[in-house]
Amino acid sequence: EAQVTQNPRYLITVTGKKLTVTCSQNMNHEYMSWYRQDPGLGLRQIYYSMNVEVTDKGDVPEGYKVSRKEKRNFPLILESPSPNQTSLYFCASSLSRGLGVNTEAFFGQGTRLTVV
Amino acid sequence: AQSVTQLGSHVSVSEGALVLLRCNYSSSVPPYLFWYVQYPNQGLQLLLKYTTGATLVKGINGFEAEFKKSETSFHLTKPSAHMSDAAEYFCAVRPSSGYSTLTFGKGTMLLVSP
Repeated sequence: EAQVTQNPRYLITVTGKKLTVTCSQNMNHEYMSWYRQDPGLGLRQIYYSMNVEVTDKGDVPEGYKVSRKEKRNFPLILESPSPNQTSLYFCASSLSRGLGVNTEAFFGQGTRLTVV
Repeated sequence: AQSVTQLGSHVSVSEGALVLLRCNYSSSVPPYLFWYVQYPNQGLQLLLKYTTGATLVKGINGFEAEFKKSETSFHLTKPSAHMSDAAEYFCAVRPSSGYSTLTFGKGTMLLVSP
């Protein structure tokens, strides 16, 4: 089954304690990205990756890091989390240059992060 | 550059009534357009998409949307709302060429009353 898997689904942590949210896809997609969802703001892109070892900032990258060492995995790293990073996070993947029918992004189930 | 505007953060309808969720976009190149739905405590699920061809596209659960280039719109409709349609709906756009940066609107919460 084609899917994007995020872990964990829920996480409560304390300010300053490094954490990693994992994301894995089994569709051989080149393009992967991270979004955060906040009430009234919709989904905002944090970082994206067009392929292995190719990453770039999205709209709200401050306080986050990513890496893309393998095609299937795209972890999101918070080196020193702060309360303003409390949010719902989604990982997504798609074909980079999808044409026609193969254009949509597939989303993980989300990770609800609370930083206290 | 691209952007998406969804008119109305909340839309309330009665069961059986017409659903209309508005989406307008701006894009410097011809876009691909999407509607996603998010049910409570779940991820985003693709409802429908416009890429090329017929401008009226049909999706899952009886929803459809029409791409109107002259109006830069991609409004989502359903003739008769069901209680199970209550969810948050997101319109999104990405360029038809180049890489797959997907830009979302802020979402519209659909409330359905009996």
